[in-house]
Amino acid sequence: AQKVTQAQTEISVVEKEDVTLDCVYETRDTTYYLFWYKQPPSGELVFLIRRNSFDEQNEISGRYSWNFQKSTSSFNFTITASQVVDSAVYFCALSEAITHFNKFYFGSGTKLNVKP
Amino acid sequence: DVKVTQSSRYLVKRTGEKVFLECVQDMDHENMFWYRQDPGLGLRLIYFSYDVKMKEKGDIPEGYSVSREKKERFSLILESASTNQTSMYLCASRFLGGELFFGEGSRLTVL
Repeated sequence: AQKVTQAQTEISVVEKEDVTLDCVYETRDTTYYLFWYKQPPSGELVFLIRRNSFDEQNEISGRYSWNFQKSTSSFNFTITASQVVDSAVYFCALSEAITHFNKFYFGSGTKLNVKP
Repeated sequence: DVKVTQSSRYLVKRTGEKVFLECVQDMDHENMFWYRQDPGLGLRLIYFSYDVKMKEKGDIPEGYSVSREKKERFSLILESASTNQTSMYLCASRFLGGELFFGEGSRLTVL
């Protein structure tokens, strides 16, 4: 079974539009960590955010915001006023603290195209 | 700035050749990982190491081996490269429980 599901394979928006990337996860551990990574065309995966399972506070960093909801096992990522430089593949990931604690489970990624 | 450095960005090798991909991190991380990334298949874990000389198989270890003689260095070895090992290889490291820091990737083509 897929531990991390990113149902949106590809999204296209026009610059300045807001866009939300969905992430649904599955785990039986009570302690776990969720992550978002950005992979621009250059190829390097860039860490964006880490959230632990005990902290359901939403996070905002500039134009980026994250909504963590344990009730729906979701960790969604919103880009406000998107820019062309936001074009990349975005990955959501899960790391369990107890079971398989050294493994990261990555979603299949969502490719975001921001058009000028 | 934290840094994970992979020895080669682009390599072209012939079938049957031995290939070394090296990765060095400067963050004193205990854990190091090798992934391969292929279109439509996402990131797949090949091997990881949780300490010097310690290693564990990931999801697709066949055809690969690894070496970790020093804490900062984790090498991926293809004993006899095959065309189906043409891929992007990504090295990463982290403290236990922390986020992964990735290198720039090594794009390997096996002819």
